[in-house]
Amino acid sequence: DAKTTQPPSMDCAEGRAANLPCNHSTISGNEYVYWYRQIHSQGPQYIIHGLKNNETNEMASLIITEDRKSSTLILPHATLRDTAVYYCIAATNTGNQFYFGTGTSLTVIP
Amino acid sequence: KAGVTQTPRYLIKTRGQQVTLSCSPISGHRSVSWYQQTPGQGLQFLFEYFSETQRNKGNFPGRFSGRQFSNSRSEMNVSTLELGDSALYLCASSLTGSQYQETQYFGPGTRLLVL
Repeated sequence: DAKTTQPPSMDCAEGRAANLPCNHSTISGNEYVYWYRQIHSQGPQYIIHGLKNNETNEMASLIITEDRKSSTLILPHATLRDTAVYYCIAATNTGNQFYFGTGTSLTVIP
Repeated sequence: KAGVTQTPRYLIKTRGQQVTLSCSPISGHRSVSWYQQTPGQGLQFLFEYFSETQRNKGNFPGRFSGRQFSNSRSEMNVSTLELGDSALYLCASSLTGSQYQETQYFGPGTRLLVL
């Protein structure tokens, strides 16, 4: 699976959009980009995933660049409950073997 | 639909003992993976089971083992516990673990403390 690079930490004001970047420059053609988040000491929570098109669900939007070397997770209106560590993963998900990396610790500020 | 469940949620053991953790996947999911999370190493893949067979394995010593039952429930066992085995052990499930677009769903984890 391709390695990903994320900033270690970010702050976001409550109610504003949180834009979390991820670099995956070595991603291969059959690897999806997955985003999970982990609130302290809980199991990771699935947020969204995509291959090459932008995706949106009730939680977030995922913007993948045309060359697929980077992506951005957008939480449109961040709340205090969005404070968590966000992990970007590039994987084929065959065999469920994910490499999580260190993630971005997002703090939503009141 | 119920999520992934793990038991027990908390466990305290002493060095040299062994421990067995249990995971029940989401109904209909046949692939189960196990991860270890520590402050120093982060989330690391242990192994994955499908149809009662270990299909993938991470870089962990043989003290870590697992199995899967015909109902897809899975157990992992750690023998001869060491202090460094203290961690949050996470289980994840997906439908088959062999389709690119599948998603893994994680349980709440079992927190193991080795004294």
